[in-house]
Amino acid sequence: EAGVAQSPRYKIIEKRQSVAFWCNPISGHATLYWYQQILGQGPKLLIQFQNNGVVDDSQLPKDRFSAERLKGVDSTLKIQPAKLEDSAVYLCASSRLRGQETQYFGPGTRLLVL
Amino acid sequence: RKEVEQDPGPFNVPEGATVAFNCTYSNSASQSFFWYRQDCRKEPKLLMSVYSSGNEDGRFTAQLNRASQYISLLIRDSKLSDSATYLCVVNIGSNFGNEKLTFGTGTRLTIIP
Repeated sequence: EAGVAQSPRYKIIEKRQSVAFWCNPISGHATLYWYQQILGQGPKLLIQFQNNGVVDDSQLPKDRFSAERLKGVDSTLKIQPAKLEDSAVYLCASSRLRGQETQYFGPGTRLLVL
Repeated sequence: RKEVEQDPGPFNVPEGATVAFNCTYSNSASQSFFWYRQDCRKEPKLLMSVYSSGNEDGRFTAQLNRASQYISLLIRDSKLSDSATYLCVVNIGSNFGNEKLTFGTGTRLTIIP
């Protein structure tokens, strides 16, 4: 079974630029999560989708971050404009159902904002 | 108080030793608990769930103490391959469709030959 795919793996941008990350969850997984992991910290949930609907985006900085999951499969996370403090690893995870707590993580996108 | 709190370490432990980590959580209504493992520059992976009665998987034992609001992870006969960061994860939401997993900062473990 293929795992969660993410791209790009690395991205370097200057502050105030825009960036987008892509995630393809495990086939058949209805729930998709985006996490931000800053160096030395645990992952912090940004947004959670159930199929193509948002169920939790309480920690998403909506003035600069946006995410969508069209057709309930792939998802994109965008930052516009980026700030220095956005430097982090952005992890995508998926689970079969919202009630199934085991989350499978992708390899992450490592973002550096200069 | 943080929702999930762990000692970040690092724990430097000789190979073959036994090591234990604790993790405290603030929400007494939390329903489910997990340990995830994260290798350097890799993604987190589920190590084990933590059940009320405690559970064991080979050299790993996880326990839950609801009264004191902490969970623990015990690793016996530690191997070099156990070197990683161990993330404590707590579901601070309710179960059955309203889960909200919160991750601790992780405890870094290094096994020394």
